[in-house]
Amino acid sequence: NAGVTQTPKFRVLKTGQSMTLLCAQDMNHEYMYWYRQDPGMGLRLIHYSVGEGTTAKGEVPDGYNVSRLKKQNFLLGLESAAPSQTSVYFCASSLGRASDEQFFGPGTRLTVL
Amino acid sequence: AQSVTQPDIHITVSEGASLELRCNYSYGATPYLFWYVQSPGQGLQLLLKYFSGDTLVQGIKGFEAEFKRSQSSFNLRKPSVHWSDAAEYFCAVGGADYKLSFGAGTTVTVRA
Repeated sequence: NAGVTQTPKFRVLKTGQSMTLLCAQDMNHEYMYWYRQDPGMGLRLIHYSVGEGTTAKGEVPDGYNVSRLKKQNFLLGLESAAPSQTSVYFCASSLGRASDEQFFGPGTRLTVL
Repeated sequence: AQSVTQPDIHITVSEGASLELRCNYSYGATPYLFWYVQSPGQGLQLLLKYFSGDTLVQGIKGFEAEFKRSQSSFNLRKPSVHWSDAAEYFCAVGGADYKLSFGAGTTVTVRA
């Protein structure tokens, strides 16, 4: 039982390049989330999904797109990376009740030059 | 809109001393409250949560938190800290929409 995994762990992009971050969970969770973590700002929700085939915007969605084609996977895409998207990205999943714990992946450190 | 304030950016505590981390939240209805811990280079791990019942909640690693509705607070405590408690701690509030709002975090340094 690997829990929540994220690939890649590190990535360096040049401004304007695109990339996709992959999140996978093996806990059969309905809900999945993408956050970004920046110093002094805690975690901010980018996008989330309440089930396969559904996605919704979070607090800071601009510049990102997501897809949830399979229940176990949640992809975060950057179509044209900007230096402001330099951050640590965390994926999380939960069963789906509001009181449920969110389980977090180890994070992806992205630098945009 | 829901929000969380963690007033202390950084706390230094001696090993064996007690620790209290403050958390104030804003939420219009009954909140779901969480404390997470993040060790350097790691993801977040749940310490404890509150959503109903006894206002004093016990968690893992010897931590506890008390929900005080009148003060909109959910402070985290540990009677005696260990060097391994050095980490960043996040308070979070959630509601019926299944989204969490996190505070900015408090970094705890433990000195020998």
